[in-house]
Amino acid sequence: NAGVTQTPKFQVLKTGQSMTLQCAQDMNHNSMYWYRQDPGMGLRLIYYSASEGTTDKGEVPNGYNVSRLNKREFSLRLESAAPSQTSVYFCASRDLTDTQYFGPGTRLTVL
Amino acid sequence: AQSVTQLDSQVPVFEEAPVELRCNYSSSVSVYLFWYVQYPNQGLQLLLKYLSGSTLVKGINGFEAEFNKSQTSFHLRKPSVHISDTAEYFCAVTPNDYKLSFGAGTTVTVRA
Repeated sequence: NAGVTQTPKFQVLKTGQSMTLQCAQDMNHNSMYWYRQDPGMGLRLIYYSASEGTTDKGEVPNGYNVSRLNKREFSLRLESAAPSQTSVYFCASRDLTDTQYFGPGTRLTVL
Repeated sequence: AQSVTQLDSQVPVFEEAPVELRCNYSSSVSVYLFWYVQYPNQGLQLLLKYLSGSTLVKGINGFEAEFNKSQTSFHLRKPSVHISDTAEYFCAVTPNDYKLSFGAGTTVTVRA
C-alpha cells in the first residue's frame, strides 16, 4: 500500500517552459487535492477534485490546470512556468472522515 | 470562509520539557479540526483530529489537543518532547466542504 505517490521529486524549469506533476493514490479515495507550500504561508489549495470527473479551483489557481484522469490519478500542469511558481507542491487524497493523506512533495524551481 | 491562526511561528524547547502550540480559528459553522506534522523534507502526516465527542483528543507520539468551542481554539500539547519531535506543525480546519484551511505553521526545535 503506497498511499499517495508523486513524480517527479525535484524539477528545475526555465521561465516559459511547461511541465506536468503526476499524482496517484491507491486508497480508493474520491477526493484529491493539489497544494503549494511556501515559507511562512502554510499550504494553499491550488485545485481539488471532489470526485472522478470533477475539478474545482482553490485559493491560488492562476497559472495552473488539472486533470482527474481516473479515480487514482490527478495531475497538475504548468503551461508557462514563472519564477513565482517556485514552490513545493503536495498532492493529497481525502478519506470519509475528512482526513487528508499527503504525498512526499515535488520541489520545483523556476529560473 | 474559515481562517486559522497559529500564534507562534517558532517554538524552541529543551528535550524532556513540555510544549504547547496554539491554534485559533474563525468560522461561522461547525468545523472539524486537525493537527498535521511535517518532518524535514517530507510530506505532512496526521497527528490527531477532532470530529465530535470528547474535546480532549489524543494522537500519535504522545501528543494531545483540546477543542475549546467558546474560545475557538485547538491547542496542541506534549508533556515531554524528544529531539525527534523537531518538525513543523500545522493546524487545519474544515467545515466538511471537501477543503482544508491551514495555518501558517509552527516550527518546533528541540534542543538537548
